Amino acid sequence: GDSVTQMEGPVTLSEEAFLTINCTYTATGYPSLFWYVQYPGEGLQLLLKATKADDKGSNKGFEATYRKETTSFHLEKGSVQVSDSAVYFCALSLSGGYNKLIFGAGTRLAVHP
Amino acid sequence: NAGVTQTPKFRVLKTGQSMTLLCAQDMNHEYMYWYRQDPGMGLRLIHYSVGEGTTAKGEVPDGYNVSRLKKQNFLLGLESAAPSQTSVYFCASETGGANVLTFGAGSRLTVL
Repeated sequence: GDSVTQMEGPVTLSEEAFLTINCTYTATGYPSLFWYVQYPGEGLQLLLKATKADDKGSNKGFEATYRKETTSFHLEKGSVQVSDSAVYFCALSLSGGYNKLIFGAGTRLAVHP
Repeated sequence: NAGVTQTPKFRVLKTGQSMTLLCAQDMNHEYMYWYRQDPGMGLRLIHYSVGEGTTAKGEVPDGYNVSRLKKQNFLLGLESAAPSQTSVYFCASETGGANVLTFGAGSRLTVL
């Protein structure tokens, strides 16, 4: 069935380090892909999205490119900050009558000064 | 600008007790969702609604019921709580077709 696989965490980095969080998916058809972020004590919020192959989503210095050939949507940031510490969820959305989001398990990121 | 508000934020139940989680949104969104979040499993869809008076089952609906009597409210009920329902519950809403969900802050439920 349709699914999303993320790298296991936690990911621990020093401030200003380069971040990559891997995400791969399995889906029938052509899904839209998302990264959501959950800061401590809060609900999820959309970080970025891409709706078709080769699209790049970007926001707050984060980027991810929809790679159909490798079924991947890896999240990257060139220089992380302490304030980026959060749980990051990769998700896909299937076409249909409503927005059914399928989430990965989440990857916790901890950034230290 | 409240967005999506969930009540209560925390609750402890005994096995067999019942309770209702309330989700309220003030954005006039058509679609509303209830998810549960468990360690290592991400979020799983319990039930959803595509408009006032409508509800449908998601991925893990067993043991839960929902109602959407008013457009702004989406209630999640547990008729007879079980320890397996210990989780963090998130409500979300969207306009429909926008592919962007607004989430509440979550409700942590513990069933003893």
